[in-house]
Amino acid sequence: GIQVEQSPPDLILQEGANSTLRCNFSDSVNNLQWFHQNPWGQLINLFYIPSGTKQNGRLSATTVATERYSLLYISSSQTTDSGVYFCAVVYTDSWGKLQFGAGTQVVVTP
Amino acid sequence: DAGVIQSPRHEVTEMGQEVTLRCKPISGHDYLFWYRQTMMRGLELLIYFNNNVPIDDSGMPEDRFSAKMPNASFSTLKIQPSEPRDSAVYFCASTLGPAGGYTFGSGTRLTVV
Repeated sequence: GIQVEQSPPDLILQEGANSTLRCNFSDSVNNLQWFHQNPWGQLINLFYIPSGTKQNGRLSATTVATERYSLLYISSSQTTDSGVYFCAVVYTDSWGKLQFGAGTQVVVTP
Repeated sequence: DAGVIQSPRHEVTEMGQEVTLRCKPISGHDYLFWYRQTMMRGLELLIYFNNNVPIDDSGMPEDRFSAKMPNASFSTLKIQPSEPRDSAVYFCASTLGPAGGYTFGSGTRLTVV
């Protein structure tokens, strides 16, 4: 079954808008990361966040491990935020195996 | 640090040929991973190494695929013989430990015709 579920699958934003991406996972994790894959295909690590809240500029993320979900917030979106955002987890009983969700495709229009 | 370095960036080969993809992890990272990305299956873990030893190769699709890590600074993923369905982007990643951030290389886009 689906082990890392992301929503929404697609998102179109106007520049300046805010958005929230969600990641649900099915069991306890000891690692959760958010990645951005830019239009050139590069995978950039945004956050390592197995629990708690972190912020980096216009991006922030929150993971509630007890409820098995994580949220990625994009504020004041820019066209450079376009791309695919992936959530990836390492389940406690799958040591080392970082498993990816299907991603959220984000398009930010001028 | 130059990050995780993969070569070549692009590879076009004919069906039946041998293909070798290369990866240099970040110095000091004890874990190295090979992933494959396709539209149909997304990002799949193929194999990972810890201290140059293969730990889990359950994601390797067939015997045509093999991976080695002869030393801490170099790994190869080989496909022999290659088939059109092997066309994908292959990523290498490394990390200090599984409970930490993973750094990905720029990937190798493989096209088998």
